[in-house]
Amino acid sequence: KNEVEQSPQNLTAQEGEFITINCSYSVGISALHWLQQHPGGGIVSLFMLSSGKKKHGRLIATINIQEKHSSLHITASHPRDSAVYICAVKAYGGATNKLIFGTGTLLAVQP
Amino acid sequence: GAVVSQHPSWVICKSGTSVKIECRSLDFQATTMFWYRQFPKQSLMLMATSNEGSKATYEQGVEKDKFLINHASLTLSTLTVTSAHPEDSSFYICSARLTGVPYNSPLHFGNGTRLTVT
Repeated sequence: KNEVEQSPQNLTAQEGEFITINCSYSVGISALHWLQQHPGGGIVSLFMLSSGKKKHGRLIATINIQEKHSSLHITASHPRDSAVYICAVKAYGGATNKLIFGTGTLLAVQP
Repeated sequence: GAVVSQHPSWVICKSGTSVKIECRSLDFQATTMFWYRQFPKQSLMLMATSNEGSKATYEQGVEKDKFLINHASLTLSTLTVTSAHPEDSSFYICSARLTGVPYNSPLHFGNGTRLTVT
């Protein structure tokens, strides 16, 4: 079992829909990252959080440390949101630089 | 914002040859850069951590003599895949952390290099 699990693996939505992507992890962490990987491969860091909730535009990320769970929400989804969304955690007490990555959620937003 | 430039974006090479991939931080200094590999439909896997002026730290299972990393300046790290074989075909991506920020600060990624070895 992977230390970082994402669900769903694939998600198709209609433009305008509210989208939720989930990330569960089994290790103690000091931080969790949400990343967006575009079809060409480039990666953009969306959020880094260690507690609570962060919002940036139409994106919202939440984390529940006790439940070892994080969610990424996209409101009013748009075709340009189509990408792979990756959850990655920095394990607490682990090697300083090492992130553990989930396998990603492939999101397709149809017009 | 911080920009990381990776070059080339794609490369095709023959088996047995070497390929160099560059990762540059364009508008900031990066003491530490990271190299990842991603096979199709799989997670990113950290290969090595590149530290300016010192030897890279390789993850378990990554051959340091095959994947040569040089971080000669605060803005440039290079990954050289030596004697490439078809199984080295993959997507290689680097990331960088601004000098002086905490370890848990956001990372800035390059756009990646798709390597195909024929």
